[in-house]
Amino acid sequence: EPEVTQTPSHQVTQMGQEVILRCVPISNHLYFYWYRQILGQKVEFLVSFYNNEISEKSEIFDDQFSVERPDGSNFTLKIRSTKLEDSAMYFCASSTGTRGYEQYFGPGTRLTVT
Amino acid sequence: GESVGLHLPTLSVQEGDNSIINCAYSNSASDYFIWYKQESGKGPQFIIDIRSNMDKRQGQRVTVLLNKTVKHLSLQIAATQPGDSAVYFCAETSNTDKLIFGTGTRLQVFP
Repeated sequence: EPEVTQTPSHQVTQMGQEVILRCVPISNHLYFYWYRQILGQKVEFLVSFYNNEISEKSEIFDDQFSVERPDGSNFTLKIRSTKLEDSAMYFCASSTGTRGYEQYFGPGTRLTVT
Repeated sequence: GESVGLHLPTLSVQEGDNSIINCAYSNSASDYFIWYKQESGKGPQFIIDIRSNMDKRQGQRVTVLLNKTVKHLSLQIAATQPGDSAVYFCAETSNTDKLIFGTGTRLQVFP
């Protein structure tokens, strides 16, 4: 069964450093998403992406964040200058349709900012 | 595990019994709902979805019920198994890409 994959599974970085989280969505999916889950809290939407541009973003997704689909398979989330409060699990998701339709999630990348 | 933040309600059931997990949603304009299962250290796993023009949908061992009048969603799991132990989230959306997740319910299955 096809699945969303994410790398790395765990990333430790120092405050102020840039990180790139990588995702390979399911191959026939056209819509891509990033969510995050701070330890013990709800899963929160960050951004959706379609046709090489951002479709929607939340208030969390400020200028420190960016997304990119650098090739036909990868989808990345970049945090330019990490803060302690960016520590969370970051989940990539993909779907064949828009408007929330059947979003399938990857296993997540645990980001720890020290 | 989670030591800070949300207090998750817990449902404990015996293996083989049926489980019912409930979710109250807030936006009366929400028109699409999904139930996700999240095991420790893993991402949310899609279980079943329902659109607002339906009030019931069945999958394999799972049934989702939607009551729009009281903004309530439930997930019924038949013949609960140890592998069903996880945190279950409902998520809603209103004609947007953004899924809004609920707080979750922890399901514990004991033999």
